[in-house]
Amino acid sequence: AQSVAQPEDQVNVAEGNPLTVKCTYSVSGNPYLFWYVQYPNRGLQFLLKYITGDNLVKGSYGFEAEFNKSQTSFHLKKPSALVSDSALYFCAVRDLSSNDYKLSFGAGTTVTVRA
Amino acid sequence: SQTIHQWPATLVQPVGSPLSLECTVEGTSNPNLYWYRQAAGRGLQLLFYSVGIGQISSEVPQNLSASRPQDRQFILSSKKLLLSDSGFYLCAWSGTGNEQFFGPGTRLTVL
Repeated sequence: AQSVAQPEDQVNVAEGNPLTVKCTYSVSGNPYLFWYVQYPNRGLQFLLKYITGDNLVKGSYGFEAEFNKSQTSFHLKKPSALVSDSALYFCAVRDLSSNDYKLSFGAGTTVTVRA
Repeated sequence: SQTIHQWPATLVQPVGSPLSLECTVEGTSNPNLYWYRQAAGRGLQLLFYSVGIGQISSEVPQNLSASRPQDRQFILSSKKLLLSDSGFYLCAWSGTGNEQFFGPGTRLTVL
């Protein structure tokens, strides 16, 4: 079984401050992990993924995420947030031991960056 | 490069009417295809996925069905819509890289 938890429904930060969106996962085997962003009335956009290798993954729009196996976490970070980063963010996981390509998504975290 | 299209973008339908939403992918072959529903701008619910032509797996028993008549075409249907079918419907595809790429979505309102 695979699942993802995003413990915060909402994150509010000031422009220019660091942004962190939390994600923890649960899998039987090893995880593939993903972050997506969704703007209002739009589809999800892929930001970054962790498959293997370096625990720090860099993605689109200046975002990065750190894989922590001991804490089963994959938090999304941005050193300096922009107002345009305000959106809904989803974490997703796929268990490598599964036989299908389905992803399990978290419930989403709404990020608001104030000017 | 690959692109994914969905239409229509918005749809308002009366209860009891039929539904057909279409999704097509360009620039790739034999993709895995997925239909999701998103209610109230929050979590995603996987409805159907397909690993090949004519191969459909249903995740949640409900009023909807899916078909894949061609390699890069995925259709979501209903014979009679319910009020609870309202939502934002997203199609996605994936290849060997495991990440899924989403279409622009269809906003369905059932009145």
